[in-house]
Amino acid sequence: SQQGEEDPQALSIQEGENATMNCSYKTSINNLQWYRQNSGRGLVHLILIRSNEREKHSGRLRVTLDTSKKSSSLLITASRAADTASYFCATDVQGAQKLVFGQGTRLTINP
Amino acid sequence: NAGVTQTPKFQVLKTGQSMTLQCAQDMNHNSMYWYRQDPGMGLRLIYYSASEGTTDKGEVPNGYNVSRLNKREFSLRLESAAPSQTSVYFCASSPWGANVLTFGAGSRLTVL
Repeated sequence: SQQGEEDPQALSIQEGENATMNCSYKTSINNLQWYRQNSGRGLVHLILIRSNEREKHSGRLRVTLDTSKKSSSLLITASRAADTASYFCATDVQGAQKLVFGQGTRLTINP
Repeated sequence: NAGVTQTPKFQVLKTGQSMTLQCAQDMNHNSMYWYRQDPGMGLRLIYYSASEGTTDKGEVPNGYNVSRLNKREFSLRLESAAPSQTSVYFCASSPWGANVLTFGAGSRLTVL
């Protein structure tokens, strides 16, 4: 079964608005990562947050991690048409040398 | 700087045929992975190689075999393709363990 589950499955907003995606996971982790996938392309790493961190920023991206709730959120501020893509969370499960991905959130930015 | 290169990009097979997906990375990464992506299922790990000389099963290994040929190359073989293996396959690598992954562009496989 999938380690991570993302919510919502799809999100459609207007350009300039903020987009928030959530990820829940089941087991203890070392880190959690977010990736973006443009249609028909491979995944690209966006940001990594370690289990001892609560919040991290990178440009217009803000990631939070709540290990007590086993959840994370990705906020994209001031969205642009180019942000249209699918976004995946991935967890580095403690004791395993691999990443397990969620099912993804499909984000559409309308001009 | 090619990163992760997968071949072929597209392949159509008949049920029962065999084929190998090739993956090579030029970043001197220790760990390599094969995932499959199906609509609504996200990415599922097929096999991975934490380091040269080792391979381990992921979530969905049935029907596949892998070979870590050397540090650069990690191939995925379908011995007898089935329609259920129709998918997009991604190879990825990381410096070590579950670190940041660099993905290839994907290989779209259709089994008729």
